[in-house]
Amino acid sequence: GENVEQHPSTLSVQEGDSAVIKCTYSDSASNYFPWYKQELGKRPQLIIDIRSNVGEKKDQRIAVTLNKTAKHFSLHITETQPEDSAVYFCAAKGYSTLTFGKGTMLLVSP
Amino acid sequence: DTEVTQTPKHLVMGMTNKKSLKCEQHMGHRAMYWYKQKAKKPPELMFVYSYEKLSINESVPSRFSPECPNSSLLNLHLHALQPEDSALYLCASSQPERNYGYTFGSGTRLTVV
Repeated sequence: GENVEQHPSTLSVQEGDSAVIKCTYSDSASNYFPWYKQELGKRPQLIIDIRSNVGEKKDQRIAVTLNKTAKHFSLHITETQPEDSAVYFCAAKGYSTLTFGKGTMLLVSP
Repeated sequence: DTEVTQTPKHLVMGMTNKKSLKCEQHMGHRAMYWYKQKAKKPPELMFVYSYEKLSINESVPSRFSPECPNSSLLNLHLHALQPEDSALYLCASSQPERNYGYTFGSGTRLTVV
């Protein structure tokens, strides 16, 4: 089955800095890669996703890049704000269900 | 309607109780999922229903029993749970095809005493 590795497990940045979270996956059949943000006690919320026919996607301060050859994808958050503090999960989906990475706790300090 | 609704939001139950968690969506999604999530961990897949048929059961103990009465509803029946079953139980839905994401409900916070 699919295996998704996510790094780092924790990330602390100052407000205004950029944050990068990286994931690798094992199943070359995976073709859909969402990122979820989960605030304490709340549901995971989809913040951005990318499909395998695209190398990069951007939505305001958030961007995702995908390298299918190397089987890795990354989340980039620019101009971080305290409200970006949360746990971020990457995931990969192919023929089966969504497989999640272990999560990254992002802390943005004012 | 672009939401997945879960009830109840919080549940405390004894180890001898029987209770049910409910999930509802009206987005026309034909795949529905139950996940269990412990603190600071990723969601862990329990069951998948595709076109109202159970398609995946991730070796979940029989004290958890899923039910999909129709394409909009998903239940999780609980019986004789253990304290270690305390967790956030998330329902999600999607289209069954490959490259669609999941929409998660807000979850039921379950405490077994």
